[in-house]
Amino acid sequence: NAGVTQTPKFRILKIGQSMTLQCTQDMNHNYMYWYRQDPGMGLKLIYYSVGAGITDKGEVPNGYNVSRSTTEDFPLRLELAAPSQTSVYFCASSYLSEFYNYGYTFGSGTRLTVV
Amino acid sequence: QQQVKQSPQSLIVQKGGISIINCAYENTAFDYFPWYQQFPGKGPALLIAIRPDVSEKKEGRFTISFNKSAKQFSLHIMDSQPGDSATYFCAANSQGAQKLVFGQGTRLTINP
Repeated sequence: NAGVTQTPKFRILKIGQSMTLQCTQDMNHNYMYWYRQDPGMGLKLIYYSVGAGITDKGEVPNGYNVSRSTTEDFPLRLELAAPSQTSVYFCASSYLSEFYNYGYTFGSGTRLTVV
Repeated sequence: QQQVKQSPQSLIVQKGGISIINCAYENTAFDYFPWYQQFPGKGPALLIAIRPDVSEKKEGRFTISFNKSAKQFSLHIMDSQPGDSATYFCAANSQGAQKLVFGQGTRLTINP
């Protein structure tokens, strides 16, 4: 059971380039999330999805786009990369349990540098 | 108000000591309070969680204390070890809102 898998682990982009951060989970979780974590800062929610075909903005969505065509995959697209998008990106998934145990499972992260 | 305020931002504790990290919230609809542990280069991982119907939950050396009236909860790490050195996040959630609200994080260093 792989959990949440993120690729790539590291990437350097030039200003204005675009890229897609991949995220896939094999736990059949219906909820998926993208967070960014800046040095010394907490986790900021970029986008989230409560199921295939449904996405919604978090607190820092500008400069990013997402899609959710399947339960397993939740890619994050960066268009026209800017230095402010230098960060570590985490994908997470969770499920709604009748026992009310919201278990977020995080991937290992993608470290992105925009130069 | 969706914020969860976490303190301190960083904490240094001697090996064998007690590490205490505090969180406060405003939204009385919050009814699930997990703590996450993050080692360098890794994603956060669920450490321990509590519901507001109990005032304390203990798992090994880790204890959550919850004060509903004060809208505060804290993580206590007993007999702290160098392997506990990590960043810790508190979080909160409410039924029907499937997004955790995270605190700002605490970088804990346990000196040997």
